[in-house]
Amino acid sequence: GESVGLHLPTLSVQEGDNSIINCAYSNSASDYFIWYKQESGKGPQFIIDIRSNMDKRQGQRVTVLLNKTVKHLSLQIAATQPGDSAVYFCAENIRGRETSGSRLTFGEGTQLTVNP
Amino acid sequence: ETGVTQTPRHLVMGMTNKKSLKCEQHLGHNAMYWYKQSAKKPLELMFVYNFKEQTENNSVPSRFSPECPNSSHLFLHLHTLQPEDSALYLCASSPLGRGTDTQYFGPGTRLTVL
Repeated sequence: GESVGLHLPTLSVQEGDNSIINCAYSNSASDYFIWYKQESGKGPQFIIDIRSNMDKRQGQRVTVLLNKTVKHLSLQIAATQPGDSAVYFCAENIRGRETSGSRLTFGEGTQLTVNP
Repeated sequence: ETGVTQTPRHLVMGMTNKKSLKCEQHLGHNAMYWYKQSAKKPLELMFVYNFKEQTENNSVPSRFSPECPNSSHLFLHLHTLQPEDSALYLCASSPLGRGTDTQYFGPGTRLTVL
């Protein structure tokens, strides 16, 4: 079936390095994507989103890139800090569900570990 | 804090117990959601409420019974659960329940069924 998935389950980086977390999706009807961060013992926290009419969106130290040709989404974190250690999820919304509520499909998550 | 609170944060119950999970959002949103998060698995959508009306039941067993008395409160009533129901139960809300709404999550209730 169609799903949202991540290439790597874990990622370990040194403090100060840039991190790139990848996500593959297979539904060409997806029109909205979100990245969430989930720290241990907490619920998922919104980081950044992007709509399908965009290729790139930047936030504070984070950038999301969307490549619709290969159905690939990535989250780039600049100057990674120990506080960035968490599980990162991508989520997609499939177009056509405008009247039935936001219907996000989540990936499995990547555990990011930042080493001091 | 995301503006979505959940109680209790931890719950241990036997298979014959009846308990309820509570979610409250202080964001003025009109859509609320229940998710199940099990280890090593993606978040699983359980129920969606839009303007207090249930708009989605994702084939959830009847031992889980949701209730949405108003747009700010959401409950999940539990009865005769199974050990495999042990998981983190997350509540979320979004402004209008549209496909491109961002969902905001609570901290979750860690449920253990003995």
